[in-house]
Amino acid sequence: NAGVTQTPKFQVLKTGQSMTLQCAQDMNHNSMYWYRQDPGMGLRLIYYSASEGTTDKGEVPNGYNVSRLNKREFSLRLESAAPSQTSVYFCASSGVQGPGNTIYFGEGSWLTVV
Amino acid sequence: GDSVTQMEGPVTLSEEAFLTINCTYTATGYPSLFWYVQYPGEGLQLLLKATKADDKGSNKGFEATYRKETTSFHLEKGSVQVSDSAVYFCALSDKGGSQGNLIFGKGTKLSVKP
Repeated sequence: NAGVTQTPKFQVLKTGQSMTLQCAQDMNHNSMYWYRQDPGMGLRLIYYSASEGTTDKGEVPNGYNVSRLNKREFSLRLESAAPSQTSVYFCASSGVQGPGNTIYFGEGSWLTVV
Repeated sequence: GDSVTQMEGPVTLSEEAFLTINCTYTATGYPSLFWYVQYPGEGLQLLLKATKADDKGSNKGFEATYRKETTSFHLEKGSVQVSDSAVYFCALSDKGGSQGNLIFGKGTKLSVKP
């Protein structure tokens, strides 16, 4: 059972470089999310996609772009990486909306910008 | 805006000790409440949830009760094991209709010693 799969797991970038984090889910979920996790900050929402064809900003969208390629895939792009974007990134997905809607997370992508 | 506050860590306990991790929230409306657990090097996993006042969520010996009067959702376990060592996140979802994104607390690291 793959669930939510994200790649790469580890990446080191130089300041100003660009990269795309890929995410795919096999649970036929409508909604997908990108979070970042920083020490002492919990998880913060970067962008989300409530359904195929729609994307919306979360709490910390600056410096990122997203693409909902199809129902399964949701990518996160850093156009010009900055050291402040060093973080652990988590993709997540959820199915039917409603009270107690459970969000399922991928295993994380560790990104270091030097 | 909505927020979640959970007790600062780290928390260090001996095996078989009683665990309480406090969580309080601020939200308009009637949020759903969650506890997620993150084991070292892994993504977040749903531990338990509650969708309305006085609901008790439980899983793997952990439990938490949704207390609307005190806006709390404290996590408890009667006898912790070394394998419970992880970071625990309290979270709320306040948009169960069209959006399901979560608002997280900062996390509490639990270390259980044999």
